[in-house]
Order: sequence, then structure tokens, then C-alpha cells
Amino acid sequence: GAGVSQSPSNKVTEKGKDVELRCDPISGHTALYWYRQRLGQGLEFLIYFQGNSAPDKSGLPSDRFSAERTGESVSTLTIQRTQQEDSAVYLCASSGFGGRVNEKLFFGSGTQLSVL
Amino acid sequence: KNQVEQSPQSLIILEGKNCTLQCNYTVSPFSNLRWYKQDTGRGPVSLTIMTFSENTKSNGRYTATLDADTKQSSLHITASQLSDSASYICVVSRDRGSTLGRLYFGRGTQLTVWP
Repeated sequence: GAGVSQSPSNKVTEKGKDVELRCDPISGHTALYWYRQRLGQGLEFLIYFQGNSAPDKSGLPSDRFSAERTGESVSTLTIQRTQQEDSAVYLCASSGFGGRVNEKLFFGSGTQLSVL
Repeated sequence: KNQVEQSPQSLIILEGKNCTLQCNYTVSPFSNLRWYKQDTGRGPVSLTIMTFSENTKSNGRYTATLDADTKQSSLHITASQLSDSASYICVVSRDRGSTLGRLYFGRGTQLTVWP
């Protein structure tokens, strides 16, 4: 596609439910990132996929959070047993064809998650 | 600890005026520094990318400077327009060999341009 696509754009869920967020990166991009942005806060790194390498999961805040990516295509971020503090915008970004240091990072518009 | 600090937190200026946003970082080893513009409800969009060997880089009315010795960067906006109202985010990449690696984000400066 022309850009990074995320779905849904908005998700309202009840506390304790599981949610799944989807990211379609730019075709051919090998690097994919997930970030969380709470209201009025900066972006928090969650997880990073680079090609077929083991993902960098060091930013995941708890074991309720997990993410998968099949090859160099779609990624899903799953939050189990959602809590109110999980309410935030979840942003996905992808880059280049080799993860080179000067590559531009392209962001999706995010998924606004609201946990009631 | 790898950190990126931005100032001011928010800024209001009149249309047509210039402004400068600041970014200090402690990320090490340093690879590159990026400035992004984030409109409300949208994802960040890249403005500039600078490596340690670059002191300045321009993108239209946006000019970024970098002092890798003092670990400081600034983003100067010239002749501001209403459409410049957004959050401006400083992002620093830590050197991880040849790959993009992990990025460290500042909290952003919220710029509001008034007519």
C-alpha cells in the first residue's frame, strides 16, 4: 500500500477483555515498530521486528502484551485482560529495506484504544 | 540512562514569527537524530535526519542543527504558518551496528501558531 495502515482506528473495550490491533506496513519494509502514546505523553517503545531476526521485546510493559509478525508483512499487537491504564494511541511504524541507520520511519495514524 | 529531553513543553507564537525548539539527549552511543512533526490525531511525519557528522539540515522553512559534542539539537521554524501548529518530536537513534535499532523519543513540544 501507499502508507502504513492500522486497524481499527478506534477501539472501545471493557476492562478484562482481550484486544487485537493490526498493522500493515509499507510493502517490502523489513523493520516494524509498535509504540504506545498516552494522552499528552511521548511515544513509548513497545516492540521492534527486523526481518527474520528475533524481535526486540524489551519495551513490552507486561506479559499481557504480545506481538507477532509473519515474515515482512502484517503485524498484530495483542493485549490480554485489558486494564484502564492500557488506554492510549497505539502507533505502528515501518522502515526501509534493510533497517539502515538513516532510513526514514513511516508511521500509521494509530489505533485509539479506550478501556472502560 | 538513555533519555531525550525537549523544551519548551509548549509554545504559542503569532503567524509569521520564527521560533526555535530545543532537544537535549543522553543516548549513547549516538547514531542519528530526527525531528518529527505530529499533527493531532495523526502519526508523526519525518522532517529531518542528521548523523553525528552533520551540523545542520534544512527542509523548507524547517532548519535543524546538531552539536554532537554537547548532545544538543534545535529545530528552527521560519515565517511560521497556521499549519505549523503541531507537536514536534525529537528522536535519537542509538548505534546498533548497521541497523536502525531502537529509537528514543522526546515528549515533544506542542507548538500553536495564532493568526
